[in-house]
Amino acid sequence: AQSVSQHNHHVILSEAASLELGCNYSYGGTVNLFWYVQYPGQHLQLLLKYFSGDPLVKGIKGFEAEFIKSKFSFNLRKPSVQWSDTAEYFCAVNSHNAGNMLTFGGGTRLMVKP
Amino acid sequence: DADVTQTPRNRITKTGKRIMLECSQTKGHDRMYWYRQDPGLGLRLIYYSFDVKDINKGEISDGYSVSRQAQAKFSLSLESAIPNQTALYFCATSDLKGQGLINEQFFGPGTRLTVL
Repeated sequence: AQSVSQHNHHVILSEAASLELGCNYSYGGTVNLFWYVQYPGQHLQLLLKYFSGDPLVKGIKGFEAEFIKSKFSFNLRKPSVQWSDTAEYFCAVNSHNAGNMLTFGGGTRLMVKP
Repeated sequence: DADVTQTPRNRITKTGKRIMLECSQTKGHDRMYWYRQDPGLGLRLIYYSFDVKDINKGEISDGYSVSRQAQAKFSLSLESAIPNQTALYFCATSDLKGQGLINEQFFGPGTRLTVL
């Protein structure tokens, strides 16, 4: 079955630490990739997206993600996290093979300690 | 910015009751979606609609129904609510561009439903 996996369910970091959240998908063919963030009590907001071109994508708030096609991965990174980055992060994939629907990973809950 | 709105924001109900959650959008998008969010499971698609005359089941449609009253409105109903339908429900919209691959979705604020 087609799926999106986020291996880290909970991550705790101190401020200024570097962040990398893993995302792997199982679709074949052409894909579009997204990272969404959900701050406490709020709705999902788009952090960044990959459609084509440069596999290193830069998003808002200093986040970036790298699409590695050979590894079916789209990991999210940030060099130095802040307390305000405390949130839940969702990877999502849209694929021709899945009828162009978005499939979400299970989410990673990040807590940044001040 | 309230492009996608949901009502109510919170609801507590009892087993067996009929519940309707409403979603409205001012983005002019054709596509609308209903998801539920459960801890550790991410978002799972309940129903989606590509236009007013098009309704499709998602991954977990059992126990739910929907109505697309207009391009801007998409309602989700629980005909007879049960406790395992306690969850956070999100409405989303999207529009296709280009060759149709792109499916960035815009989310409403969510409805927290508790079924006792």
